[in-house]
Amino acid sequence: DTEVTQTPKHLVMGMTNKKSLKCEQHMGHRAMYWYKQKAKKPPELMFVYSYEKLSINESVPSRFSPECPNSSLLNLHLHALQPEDSALYLCASSQARRGAGNTIYFGEGSWLTVV
Amino acid sequence: QKEVEQDPGPLSVPEGAIVSLNCTYSNSAFQYFMWYRQYSRKGPELLMYTYSSGNKEDGRFTAQVDKSSKYISLFIRDSQPSDSATYLCAMSDPTYMYSGGGADGLTFGKGTHLIIQP
Repeated sequence: DTEVTQTPKHLVMGMTNKKSLKCEQHMGHRAMYWYKQKAKKPPELMFVYSYEKLSINESVPSRFSPECPNSSLLNLHLHALQPEDSALYLCASSQARRGAGNTIYFGEGSWLTVV
Repeated sequence: QKEVEQDPGPLSVPEGAIVSLNCTYSNSAFQYFMWYRQYSRKGPELLMYTYSSGNKEDGRFTAQVDKSSKYISLFIRDSQPSDSATYLCAMSDPTYMYSGGGADGLTFGKGTHLIIQP
């Protein structure tokens, strides 16, 4: 079983709703990621937190808002989403060692459907 | 030209066959190579992680890296129906560091959908 835990596993929300996806890891990793995956496509990087600081935002729309309360937790706040935002949202973590390859471990994902 | 090329398949083989999955890449800065297995409606599961050119074996799985040709492979011996999944190659450039630490994202191939026929 993966050591990256995501909740909820499934979420259906209307376009005017506000909801959040949550992620937790207890591997002592200092980097956490949000990826978005559409059907039959590879994961696409959305956000990276390194040592609780947002390090990269891959030009993601502002209706997605990440939050990293501490090194073990990662949230993705959702507001005014569009039906095309329906996808599998994957949380991941890695050790964040500078200059070295960092093995990235994924959670099971949260299936989001926007109606 | 995309950075990572991977045939999406589907690749269908009989149970017990040796499976060969491949990716090519163009960015010589990629130094770390991973293979993930993803079952339908699940998150990717790390199978193999390699750095240097050559072979790395783990049970029925062998990962092969040829940096001179920019070509990586995953071999599955004695394939089982439970191996049916999508296999994603992924690679990272360790010099591409984000501020505040060594976190780096991955560049994925499209994934190969593998079907093992009983």
